[in-house]
Amino acid sequence: DADVTQTPRNRITKTGKRIMLECSQTKGHDRMYWYRQDPGLGLRLIYYSFDVKDINKGEISDGYSVSRQAQAKFSLSLESAIPNQTALYFCATSDPRPRGASTDTQYFGPGTRLTVL
Amino acid sequence: GENVEQHPSTLSVQEGDSAVIKCTYSDSASNYFPWYKQELGKGPQLIIDIRSNVGEKKDQRIAVTLNKTAKHFSLHITETQPEDSAVYFCAASRQAGTALIFGKGTTLSVSS
Repeated sequence: DADVTQTPRNRITKTGKRIMLECSQTKGHDRMYWYRQDPGLGLRLIYYSFDVKDINKGEISDGYSVSRQAQAKFSLSLESAIPNQTALYFCATSDPRPRGASTDTQYFGPGTRLTVL
Repeated sequence: GENVEQHPSTLSVQEGDSAVIKCTYSDSASNYFPWYKQELGKGPQLIIDIRSNVGEKKDQRIAVTLNKTAKHFSLHITETQPEDSAVYFCAASRQAGTALIFGKGTTLSVSS
């Protein structure tokens, strides 16, 4: 969806390099997420943020860090990339339903294909 | 924590046939169950979802059923078409404050 953009779309890097993946959204959503997708493993949550001051670890946060620069921007960093971080990375956003209601729907960006040599 | 199992991992059907994908979840507190479709080279897109206060939901050729007692939910696609070919993911989560846990995906192939 054009409402959620990710840059770069493809990146090849070398072991030990620092890499930043960026996500921007124009949907006005407070919540943003980073997932990685590996063949046969589905989507696994790395980090999520429910507002600018809120950052939470997901199930596979080791080796990654994030920064929520603004409501519309959420960046994922690999401080020292390693080959097993080769994967497809997705950013997603969501907007909670009115206060007191249950969970919200997530909207995904087009993904960044990262290869670490 | 929550664990979501999805079956089958691959599914091949003839155009016009029905397709069923099944998921089970472990956390009885989960109450939101979306289904996403991912086409080649694109991010997942929500196609239908169901909340725990509903047993079934339909949207044209797509339906989702939920059995809270057995902790499983299913996606049903009727009159399949070649453009239904994609990877489908189920997911589950609790109330607002936690994130989605996804199944490993099902690759659906519809041949004409």
